[in-house]
Amino acid sequence: DQQVKQNSPSLSVQEGRISILNCDYTNSMFDYFLWYKKYPAEGPTFLISISSIKDKNEDGRFTVFLNKSAKHLSLHIVPSQPGDSAVYFCAASVTNNNDMRFGAGTRLTVKP
Amino acid sequence: DSGVTQTPKHLITATGQRVTLRCSPRSGDLSVYWYQQSLDQGLQFLIQYYNGEERAKGNILERFSAQQFPDLHSELNLSSLELGDSALYFCASSLQTGNYGYTFGSGTRLTVV
Repeated sequence: DQQVKQNSPSLSVQEGRISILNCDYTNSMFDYFLWYKKYPAEGPTFLISISSIKDKNEDGRFTVFLNKSAKHLSLHIVPSQPGDSAVYFCAASVTNNNDMRFGAGTRLTVKP
Repeated sequence: DSGVTQTPKHLITATGQRVTLRCSPRSGDLSVYWYQQSLDQGLQFLIQYYNGEERAKGNILERFSAQQFPDLHSELNLSSLELGDSALYFCASSLQTGNYGYTFGSGTRLTVV
């Protein structure tokens, strides 16, 4: 069962504009959420995370927003750069449970 | 280089065969996780080991097994291979167990023909 869903398989934005990647989850027990970035021929790399006690976490150009009532989180990249072109995975887990669930990924292309 | 080493990078084998995928975690990390990524699918959690002991099990088939050795490297054994087992297999490691960002290896691409 797909408890973490990324419904947009791809997204294309212009350099300098905002990229918004979305993620929905179904398990209300999830209390920790992460975003990973993956370049071709490499493994995913951790990007940013958020605990369910917060609704926003910011790290440089990357901001993750969490809407618990809607079971929705999003990753904002501002401004987008061509080097941000990659596949972005959303992940969710329950504290002290080691079964982290990943979405199918969204391929972001940032055009110069 | 993430510090997590997976070998081999590519593997082609026939149906019915058995293969072993190897993972060396980042230095100091005690937890090892195995994930499978099939075409257009997300990362499916298979199994986790912490300091040599199995900690969590996901959607791992009975034909698959894993272990973590005293030197903390891990092996994922896939047997009676089927065409549908063709996928990217990722290993990740973390210092502890629980909510930590994992460090992933670059994966092993398994093709079953």
